[in-house]
Amino acid sequence: EDQVTQSPEALRLQEGESSSLNCSYTVSGLRGLFWYRQDPGKGPEFLFTLYSAGEEKEKERLKATITKKESFLHITAPKPEDSATYLCAIPRRLTSGTYKYIFGTGTRLKVLA
Amino acid sequence: DGGITQSPKYLFRKEGQNVTLSCEQNLNHDAMYWYRQDPGQGLRLIYYSQIVNDFQKGDIAEGYSVSREKKESFPLTVTSAQKNPTAFYLCASSRAGRGRLGEQYFGPGTRLTVT
Repeated sequence: EDQVTQSPEALRLQEGESSSLNCSYTVSGLRGLFWYRQDPGKGPEFLFTLYSAGEEKEKERLKATITKKESFLHITAPKPEDSATYLCAIPRRLTSGTYKYIFGTGTRLKVLA
Repeated sequence: DGGITQSPKYLFRKEGQNVTLSCEQNLNHDAMYWYRQDPGQGLRLIYYSQIVNDFQKGDIAEGYSVSREKKESFPLTVTSAQKNPTAFYLCASSRAGRGRLGEQYFGPGTRLTVT
């Protein structure tokens, strides 16, 4: 069964302390892996889409990478404003031929000044 | 600016009352979705629609209903049959396609409190 598992559940970093968030997935035929940022009380904000192993995307202090089994969101020299919950998702094909998106439970990141 | 709007941001209702949450998008997306988010849990799919006048139940559809009469609009009704309706509700949209699938774009959410 298609599924997404994110780790760690929560992460506390000092400002400037780089780290990585993990998103492990199982799916038959990857049609995309999506990363989102969610601030408290707000809707998720789209960050990156990755379609195939080896692909990388970068935006400011964030860099997303992907292998055949997992994706990483690398945060370089984070700042307090990077504090948020980071979600990943994959689409699951249904018997009807349509798709729905499977979300992980997220990693809550707190960056301390 | 293109995007998704949800209204209201906060909604309070008495137990036993039906309530309808609004979702509108001007991204020209075919697919629209409703999710529920509870503390400590991931996004759970309530209903989704790939095309006008067609929609499918998600993982937790009981106690909810939707309509898709226009491409831009996908309202969600929380009925009195929903046993635990207090939650944060998110609407999303995306391109529907057969090749690479597009990302979802989310609205700002509606926080529903039922007492």
